[in-house]
Amino acid sequence: RKEVEQDPGPFNVPEGATVAFNCTYSNSASQSFFWYRQDCRKEPKLLMSVYSSGNEDGRFTAQLNRASQYISLLIRDSKLSDSATYLCVVRMDSSYKLIFGSGTRLLVRP
Amino acid sequence: DAGVTQSPTHLIKTRGQHVTLRCSPISGHKSVSWYQQVLGQGPQFIFQYYEKEERGRGNFPDRFSARQFPNYSSELNVNALLLGDSALYLCASSYDEYNEQFFGPGTRLTVL
Repeated sequence: RKEVEQDPGPFNVPEGATVAFNCTYSNSASQSFFWYRQDCRKEPKLLMSVYSSGNEDGRFTAQLNRASQYISLLIRDSKLSDSATYLCVVRMDSSYKLIFGSGTRLLVRP
Repeated sequence: DAGVTQSPTHLIKTRGQHVTLRCSPISGHKSVSWYQQVLGQGPQFIFQYYEKEERGRGNFPDRFSARQFPNYSSELNVNALLLGDSALYLCASSYDEYNEQFFGPGTRLTVL
């Protein structure tokens, strides 16, 4: 079983749509959680950290459910520029390494 | 401010050859991590260095090695290249072992 699992998509949505991505992680010792964005043939960039109480950054909302070992990312009012691959990432507090999911591809169409 | 830089950007090698990839971290950052990203997958951790010492190693064979220099730049070496080593190799720098990691643009290695 992979340590971090994501639906690979692709999710193909019209501009203005709301889209949600889910991610599950297998190690209950995981303590830090992130969403990264990766454009085609580019490096990953941190989109947002995910906190236990949930957090929002503009059109983006991240949620964490430790009991279910589940992380989500909600994007409201999708823009063409949101088209990218979204990577779910976890890290255990005692560790330095980031553990990435395989990513979910999003395509926003006009 | 300059971000993480990596060289070369692209590289083509044949099976059995060796390769050296280079990374310069953001100024002031003392930690460098290396990741391998195969097409269609997320990045996979290879090594982390902090203050010139290896702090962690992922599940990669001994053909992979790395080092960090006094100026905090780093090299990743891969010997006896296999076709399966074809990937994007990403370097990430951070102030220390646990702070946010900033990724460089990567080196795309193709093994023929």
